[in-house]
Amino acid sequence: ETGVTQTPRHLVMGMTNKKSLKCEQHLGHNAMYWYKQSAKKPLELMFVYSLEERVENNSVPSRFSPECPNSSHLFLHLHTLQPEDSALYLCASSQDAGGAAAGELFFGEGSRLTVL
Amino acid sequence: GQNIDQPTEMTATEGAIVQINCTYQTSGFNGLFWYQQHAGEAPTFLSYNVLDGLEEKGRFSSFLSRSKGYSYLLLKELQMKDSASYLCAVRSLWKTGAGSYQLTFGKGTKLSVIP
Repeated sequence: ETGVTQTPRHLVMGMTNKKSLKCEQHLGHNAMYWYKQSAKKPLELMFVYSLEERVENNSVPSRFSPECPNSSHLFLHLHTLQPEDSALYLCASSQDAGGAAAGELFFGEGSRLTVL
Repeated sequence: GQNIDQPTEMTATEGAIVQINCTYQTSGFNGLFWYQQHAGEAPTFLSYNVLDGLEEKGRFSSFLSRSKGYSYLLLKELQMKDSASYLCAVRSLWKTGAGSYQLTFGKGTKLSVIP
C-alpha cells in the first residue's frame, strides 16, 4: 500500500457509542494531522503530531481523543459525540510539521462519520 | 488570525482558461498552497507560492502578490476531469504549539467544467 490510508471509510454511531478512526501513512513522514471537513465550511485543523508528540490541539472538545503510537499510525478516539460532529474526518501527513515542507500535505480518503 | 476568501462556485467551458482567485488577511504569512479535491476524494496538493510571482506546473499556474494578499490559480486547456473543488490555504509564519506551522484553508471553489 502507498500513501495515506484511513479506516473505516464510513461510520454511523449513536451518541453514547465509543469508536475509533484509524490512519496509517506509508510515506516515511514525521508529522500527522487530523482535519474535520463539514459541508460549506473550510477544512478545520484538529490535531498535529510531530514525531509522535502532539504539538497542536486546536481547541477541540475532549470527546475527541487522538493517539499516535508511532510515526506511521494515528488514531482518533470518539466518545459521546453530538449530531453536529457528523462530518468527513481527514487524516494527513507531511515530511515535517515545522520545516519548509510543512503545508504540503498528503491526505487520506477520509472517514465519513454520521452521529445519530 | 487568518481570513481567506475565494468564490464559492465557478463554471467554465472545456478547452478554456479559468482563473480562481483567493484573497487573504493574515498575521504572519509564510506561504500559500492550492489543493484540488474531487467529490468524495481526498484533497491533493497542487502548488505552493512563498515569493511573489507566477509558478507554472503544466496546465496549472499559481500567482502570488504578498503586498496585496492575493493569489490566483490559473487552469489552462480545461478538461472535464478538472471539475473539482480548489482549496486555497495559507501557512502562518509563527509556529503554533511546539514547532508546527498553522495551515488555514479557505472554503474552496467548486469548479464545474462543461462541454
